[in-house]
Amino acid sequence: DIQMTQSPSSLSASVGDRVTINCRASQSISSHLNWYQQKPGKAPKLLIYAASSLQSGVPLRFSGSGSGTDFTLTISSLQPEDFATYYCQQSYTTPPLTFGGGTKVEIK
Amino acid sequence: EVQLLESGGGLVQPGGSLRLSCAASGFSFSRYAMTWVRQAPGKGLEWVSTISDGGGRTFYADSVKGRFTISRDNSKSTLFLQMNSLRGEDTAVYYCAKEALREQELAYFDFWGQGTLVSVSS
Repeated sequence: DIQMTQSPSSLSASVGDRVTINCRASQSISSHLNWYQQKPGKAPKLLIYAASSLQSGVPLRFSGSGSGTDFTLTISSLQPEDFATYYCQQSYTTPPLTFGGGTKVEIK
Repeated sequence: EVQLLESGGGLVQPGGSLRLSCAASGFSFSRYAMTWVRQAPGKGLEWVSTISDGGGRTFYADSVKGRFTISRDNSKSTLFLQMNSLRGEDTAVYYCAKEALREQELAYFDFWGQGTLVSVSS
């Protein structure tokens, strides 16, 4: 099974900061990497699919990059509504479909 | 507007059974694979099971294989998860999720339900 490792597990940032979240796969997954945002008590929301494609309706401050084993989610200017937990998910070798452990973005 | 509404969660004793439902609306249900994802309290997301658009193909996580059964009724736009032999580690919020692409399985999910809580405890 492909393991997905996110770093950091949590971070503190201020409104307006540039934030970067990393996701590493245990083997190459080409560009089959997706990102979700989850707020407390809510369902996950798709942000990025296929490593770098922005889901419809998602603000342009979110971007994704990477291929192979290393991927990055970047928030160019953190907004108050962006404080949440972010998960990566691989869809290259399935089943099983696997998620990273999550990165919690907190207010500094 | 796409809507996914889960129901059927609750408190059950170890070894017991529950059947979750997910009522879908706002899209052509029969054209998309559907998936269950769960989240234990304070933990991350865990894929549980997926069913193809027509229902002919099903996939399970090793942790639930042989105990859970996914199914769907396309005439009623409803997804199900029959959970038997429940264990404490099955305690979680269970989400149903819609595959983003037609005729694809286990890719990514563009709509999720609000979740239903399953608690397994004596």
